[in-house]
Amino acid sequence: AQTVTQSQPEMSVQEAETVTLSCTYDTSESNYYLFWYKQPPSRQMILVIRQEAYKQQNATENRFSVNFQKAAKSFSLKISDSQLGDTAMYFCAFMKGAQKLVFGQGTRLTINP
Amino acid sequence: EADIYQTPRYLVIGTGKKITLECSQTMGHDKMYWYQQDPGMELHLIHYSYGVNSTEKGDLSSESTVSRIRTEHFPLTLESARPSHTSQYLCASSWGIVGTEAFFGQGTRLTVV
Repeated sequence: AQTVTQSQPEMSVQEAETVTLSCTYDTSESNYYLFWYKQPPSRQMILVIRQEAYKQQNATENRFSVNFQKAAKSFSLKISDSQLGDTAMYFCAFMKGAQKLVFGQGTRLTINP
Repeated sequence: EADIYQTPRYLVIGTGKKITLECSQTMGHDKMYWYQQDPGMELHLIHYSYGVNSTEKGDLSSESTVSRIRTEHFPLTLESARPSHTSQYLCASSWGIVGTEAFFGQGTRLTVV
């Protein structure tokens, strides 16, 4: 079974700083998908960024980018120029094919003014 | 925002009562999921469905049951609520296509007293 591990339960940075959230996963598959989801306080979970394992290029979405290291089974999220609105729980998730999502434990990120 | 709705948002109910948490989506998605989110915010898959009349138990054992009679509707029922069922319940849906993102509802916070 696939597992996803987020080793940082909580992180806190100052506004405008850059922060990196870590995620590792375990799978024997060669093709799969990785996601970062964001859950703001009392609001819906939303997708931040997605990476397809067969693509070597790291995905980017505005201030959000990933460092995907397939051999190391690592998928970290970098948030540049962090903003107060980035305060949220962040979940790393894994999907093989069209099967169910497997989530990590989450990282609580606080952006301080 | 995603077109997936959960009702009620908050529910306080006595032990032994039967409850149904509603989840509806208007996107025509094949796949639907129920997650239980514990106080530490970790997500546990309790039920999922790949389409009408298809339901499967998730990774976390749950006393709840689900049904999928219509594509858009995926209710979760507890026949006899107990304090151990107190939690946040999140519903999600996605297309049954490889690697597609899941859309989440706002959640139902259930408290059993």
